[in-house]
Amino acid sequence: SQQGEEDPQALSIQEGENATMNCSYKTSINNLQWYRQNSGRGLVHLILIRSNEREKHSGRLRVTLDTSKKSSSLLITASRAADTASYFCATDRAGGYNKLIFGAGTRLAVHP
Amino acid sequence: KAGVTQTPRYLIKTRGQQVTLSCSPISGHRSVSWYQQTPGQGLQFLFEYFSETQRNKGNFPGRFSGRQFSNSRSEMNVSTLELGDSALYLCASSLEGLAGGGLSETQYFGPGTRLLVL
Repeated sequence: SQQGEEDPQALSIQEGENATMNCSYKTSINNLQWYRQNSGRGLVHLILIRSNEREKHSGRLRVTLDTSKKSSSLLITASRAADTASYFCATDRAGGYNKLIFGAGTRLAVHP
Repeated sequence: KAGVTQTPRYLIKTRGQQVTLSCSPISGHRSVSWYQQTPGQGLQFLFEYFSETQRNKGNFPGRFSGRQFSNSRSEMNVSTLELGDSALYLCASSLEGLAGGGLSETQYFGPGTRLLVL
């Protein structure tokens, strides 16, 4: 079963615009990670945010985490055509379960 | 450092056959996890190995099994293949794996093995 749910399911924007994706989850977590996947290939790790952190930046990426609402958001600023991919959030559930639980993903299309 | 490698990259099998997939983690990583990705079910956890021991297993039938060798390389095996086993199988490695109590490790994924069962 999936812990996380992303919205929107699909997002279409123009180059230069910002893209925001949201993720909600159900249980207490140790951390939340965001991954990118291009056309059914392997997952590329983007950023990890721990449960005691509220915001994290990496280049054009900004991730926020609200543990009271059990939600996270990924913001990609000044998007590029190369950002076209599926984006997944994955949670490391508190309690030592040793596995990531993934959401269904957001398909982002950035048009030149 | 070389990334996570998976072999083969593509595989076509018929129902009833068995298949073995291989994963070589990043050098120094001792934890290897396996995930199945399908359009209908998304990404689902199969199992995780650490120092040759299975620490966790997902909700998959016993036809799915795995092992880890002393050099941390891992294999997963699917016996008596069914059409529904067609999927992208992803392997991920990390230094120590995910652990409770606030110790967290980034999971690095390989390119996957795409299995088609006819």
